[in-house]
Amino acid sequence: QVQLQQWGAGLLKPAETLSLTCAVSGGSFSGYYWSWIRQPPGKGLEWIGEINHSGSTNYNPSLKSRVTISVDTSNNQFSLRLSSVTAADTAVYYCARGAARYKWNYGNWGQGTLVTVSS
Amino acid sequence: SSELTQDPAVSVALGQTVRITCQGDSLRTYFGSWYQQKPGQAPVLVIYGKNNRPSGIPDRFSGSSSGNTASLTITGAQAEDEADYFCNSRDSSDNRVFGGGTKLTVL
Repeated sequence: QVQLQQWGAGLLKPAETLSLTCAVSGGSFSGYYWSWIRQPPGKGLEWIGEINHSGSTNYNPSLKSRVTISVDTSNNQFSLRLSSVTAADTAVYYCARGAARYKWNYGNWGQGTLVTVSS
Repeated sequence: SSELTQDPAVSVALGQTVRITCQGDSLRTYFGSWYQQKPGQAPVLVIYGKNNRPSGIPDRFSGSSSGNTASLTITGAQAEDEADYFCNSRDSSDNRVFGGGTKLTVL
């Protein structure tokens, strides 16, 4: 059973950089797409971006200028960095595994990390 | 357009059938997926592809698609089905998109 375990800082000040990491265990790391998705309190889901084991990335155009997703295949981990955060970036951030063919089929999710941006 | 539109709220009587819909141009080309999310929990995939259920998802959940609309049907809704439901798919630029979500109340 694939498990995704995520961690990172939960409280940031405006203009700081958000940094989260997701570790994958119990399954193959290659052959899938690894995504970050966020959910502002009381609102819907927003796709941030994805990466595969080769490091090929795809980002949400609305966040692309601030987002970097990287992969560490030696440790089966992938990470999110979101720069210049504002209060609008306050959300629960999830990592998720997308299927090889239909990359938007997220069958496995991390537990979520609440990130609050406040001065 | 890359938007997916869902009704904000739907209700169903216990044991009855309910259909939750998701509309968007991308659904004419790409399959939608459906997620169930309960308060304080991560979303759970319930339907993907044409009409596929991941292991452990009850068979009262089914999916269908017609034109620009994807539908999630719960046949014989149970109290534990009360949750938010989100659809998602991809758009023509290969971005992933989510619907705004539908809050299902089981009466």
